[in-house]
Amino acid sequence: DTEVTQTPKHLVMGMTNKKSLKCEQHMGHRAMYWYKQKAKKPPELMFVYSYEKLSINESVPSRFSPECPNSSLLNLHLHALQPEDSALYLCASSSVKGPDEAFFGQGTRLTVV
Amino acid sequence: RKEVEQDPGPFNVPEGATVAFNCTYSNSASQSFFWYRQDCRKEPKLLMSVYSSGNEDGRFTAQLNRASQYISLLIRDSKLSDSATYLCVVNMGDDKIIFGKGTRLHILP
Repeated sequence: DTEVTQTPKHLVMGMTNKKSLKCEQHMGHRAMYWYKQKAKKPPELMFVYSYEKLSINESVPSRFSPECPNSSLLNLHLHALQPEDSALYLCASSSVKGPDEAFFGQGTRLTVV
Repeated sequence: RKEVEQDPGPFNVPEGATVAFNCTYSNSASQSFFWYRQDCRKEPKLLMSVYSSGNEDGRFTAQLNRASQYISLLIRDSKLSDSATYLCVVNMGDDKIIFGKGTRLHILP
């Protein structure tokens, strides 16, 4: 199983809503990532979890809150987002040891209205 | 200096041509290097890892020069299906995986 599964695929939310994005992998990878990608731009790193601990936060606003409940799951909790937060949110995982290429989920396309 | 820099695009090349992409990275302690391909409205997918010895996969050849902090990708006999955005990706260590801006490639019939 070389899949990273993200849900939902599409999400429309209001600026006062609270929602969560979910990501799951069963490859035994111990590093998991959230990226944000705007149209015609490359993915931008937001957060990295390594062995279920937050290791990198790229100065992301607190309205984005990551959570890693276990080694297979990664969540991104969203609250009080702005329209400019509309983007494709990509989850990825990689092995900490050995081949360390990142495998990506299909992404959640988020629209904030 | 940006952490990962790539050639600006787009590249418009005729089918059958050879095209080369270049990428430089700023952190000399970077551990591993990759080329990803991303199609419109899809997630990035690994094209190939890049090693100092150079590696080849069919029509694709990747090269790493650690001394110059430079990565390249060569596509020979380009096909229409090669049209995509090619992303240079660097693992800078401590699980920090950073993308270049990407180079858009259009193969023309």
